[in-house]
Amino acid sequence: GQNIDQPTEMTATEGAIVQINCTYQTSGFNGLFWYQQHAGEAPTFLSYNVLDGLEEKGRFSSFLSRSKGYSYLLLKELQMKDSASYLCAVRDTSSGTYKYIFGTGTRLKVLA
Amino acid sequence: NAGVTQTPKFRVLKTGQSMTLLCAQDMNHEYMYWYRQDPGMGLRLIHYSVGEGTTAKGEVPDGYNVSRLKKQNFLLGLESAAPSQTSVYFCASIPARRSSGNTIYFGEGSWLTVV
Repeated sequence: GQNIDQPTEMTATEGAIVQINCTYQTSGFNGLFWYQQHAGEAPTFLSYNVLDGLEEKGRFSSFLSRSKGYSYLLLKELQMKDSASYLCAVRDTSSGTYKYIFGTGTRLKVLA
Repeated sequence: NAGVTQTPKFRVLKTGQSMTLLCAQDMNHEYMYWYRQDPGMGLRLIHYSVGEGTTAKGEVPDGYNVSRLKKQNFLLGLESAAPSQTSVYFCASIPARRSSGNTIYFGEGSWLTVV
């Protein structure tokens, strides 16, 4: 089956660093994605990992370990506007097509 | 550059009424998806399509039907709306498999309330 787990909620302080973890189980792994979603809006793309290791993009970094079924999103120098939900998603090809399976999201609150 | 457009954005339905949500993309994408998002449940796949004239069930297809008569349009139908279908609906699309980019493109969402 397919399963994605991530914490429901996290709180951090402005200027700090926060790490949001994601674990997954899937039979046809073909990439892991992180999305940011502000309340009332559509998800927006943050990062993509298909090979093991760290991908860095400005204040955001994402790490993947395929053998452990584990990823994390690292947000540095937190800003108030980073308060949002962060969705971990796996692209699965076990059915022969591309399907994107989403976790329930982690709601991040950034405090002043 | 429209991208993925959903209509309507907001709708209130009475139980038992029917309606259709329209998703249109102007990027010549092959794959299109309909998701619903509920509090604490994340995005759940309802139906998807891998090309014009084809559709397939996702993880929560009951109570919904879809059609992909034209490549650029993916319609989601509710034949007899129920309060359990109150949700935010997102359409998404990606290019053909072999040239798939690193992300899917989402529409802005459709807020549906069934009373």
